[in-house]
Amino acid sequence: SYVLTQPPSVSVAPGQTARITCGGNNIGSKSVHWYQQKPGQAPVLVVYDDSDRPSGIPERFSGSNSGNTATLTISRVEAGDEADYYCQVWDSSSDRGVFGGGTKLTVL
Amino acid sequence: EVQLVESGGGLVQPGGSLRLSCAASGFTFSAYWINWVRQAPGKGLEWVANIKVDGSEKYYVDSVKGRFTISRDNAKNSLYLQMNSLRVEDTAVYYCARGTVGRSGYSAYWGQGTLVTVSS
Repeated sequence: SYVLTQPPSVSVAPGQTARITCGGNNIGSKSVHWYQQKPGQAPVLVVYDDSDRPSGIPERFSGSNSGNTATLTISRVEAGDEADYYCQVWDSSSDRGVFGGGTKLTVL
Repeated sequence: EVQLVESGGGLVQPGGSLRLSCAASGFTFSAYWINWVRQAPGKGLEWVANIKVDGSEKYYVDSVKGRFTISRDNAKNSLYLQMNSLRVEDTAVYYCARGTVGRSGYSAYWGQGTLVTVSS
């Protein structure tokens, strides 16, 4: 089955740039979606189809995808960005949805 | 306003059954794939199942295949998850999430979830 690998944690100071990676075999050939989840809340879509942003999501959130790695980039990080972030793809070879294990973003 | 409201969670013994419901409003329910996603306590998100707009295609994660059945009633704008032969490891918050018009799309809208606890 298809596996997505994320770092368990990423730490960044306010105002700096956070990069959260999502590794998978030839993930560049798939559409990657990213979700933000704060404690006790449902996930929120922050990037879809590799690099598109839903309405209401700040431009500080951006995404890229190439080769074996997709990346969620959060520029000018704010305290309110502290959350868990998950990448997701659809694995067409097995007809299954797949989430990465999640990355906890800590704002120092 | 798009709304998804799950219900039906609760405490059930191992081997038991439970039926979750998801009531949708604020969009054309029959035009979208819908997903069930779960999250065990303190763990990450896990995709469980999804269903095509007309119910003609259904897909499941291997761990629930043969035990869970996803269904929908477009006339009632409702999604269901029939869960049989429940195991302790099925304990989780279950979310319904609206997909896209295609099978492999993202979920832009999520319910608040319903907690299922499988324990003796």
